[in-house]
Amino acid sequence: GAVVSQHPSRVICKSGTSVKIECRSLDFQATTMFWYRQFPKQSLMLMATSNEGSKATYEQGVEKDKFLINHASLTLSTLTVTSAHPEDSSFYICSARVSGRRNTEAFFGQGTRLTVV
Amino acid sequence: AQTVTQSQPEMSVQEAETVTLSCTYDTSESDYYLFWYKQPPSRQMILVIRQEAYKQQNATENRFSVNFQKAAKSFSLKISDSQLGDAAMYFCAYNNNDMRFGAGTRLTVKP
Repeated sequence: GAVVSQHPSRVICKSGTSVKIECRSLDFQATTMFWYRQFPKQSLMLMATSNEGSKATYEQGVEKDKFLINHASLTLSTLTVTSAHPEDSSFYICSARVSGRRNTEAFFGQGTRLTVV
Repeated sequence: AQTVTQSQPEMSVQEAETVTLSCTYDTSESDYYLFWYKQPPSRQMILVIRQEAYKQQNATENRFSVNFQKAAKSFSLKISDSQLGDAAMYFCAYNNNDMRFGAGTRLTVKP
């Protein structure tokens, strides 16, 4: 099956700093990638849809200036949490869909546990 | 907007028995996919089974099968011969352009 690699798996950063999370599709091209946030014992909440070569589409209530998304190639999307605060601590998961296959399954990265101290 | 509802926060099943997890969804679309994902403690999302909305036949993957009722917008997951390794969070997901998840059901398997 298709593999999505997310890095880092864990990161601790100081309040006020920025942290970048990478999501790579290793063996397929992904025009579209998705970023989710998951609080403990809760579901995955879609934050934004990342489209290669264009601006990301953010869900209502998600601050686009805080969560910067860049999808510069068909295999890489990045999420940068800017000026992180303790309330940004969470589990972030990316997923990617094979280019040209709109409604089929998405493949998930391993997730990133972000802790802001 | 599409919504996915899982009304069972927790379910428990005896090893080797059968359990059914419920899921309903709301959409005005006719072309979409439905999925069940499993999330073990590692938090890696694992695809269990998928159903294409235009297919009337219920999907089956070994011990996992679905009961897809399109008119009722219902998509339940049946796990037969439950195993200890089936214990996890199970999420129902709807996909039409982007993927939305239900709240999840935590499945416990008793030995």
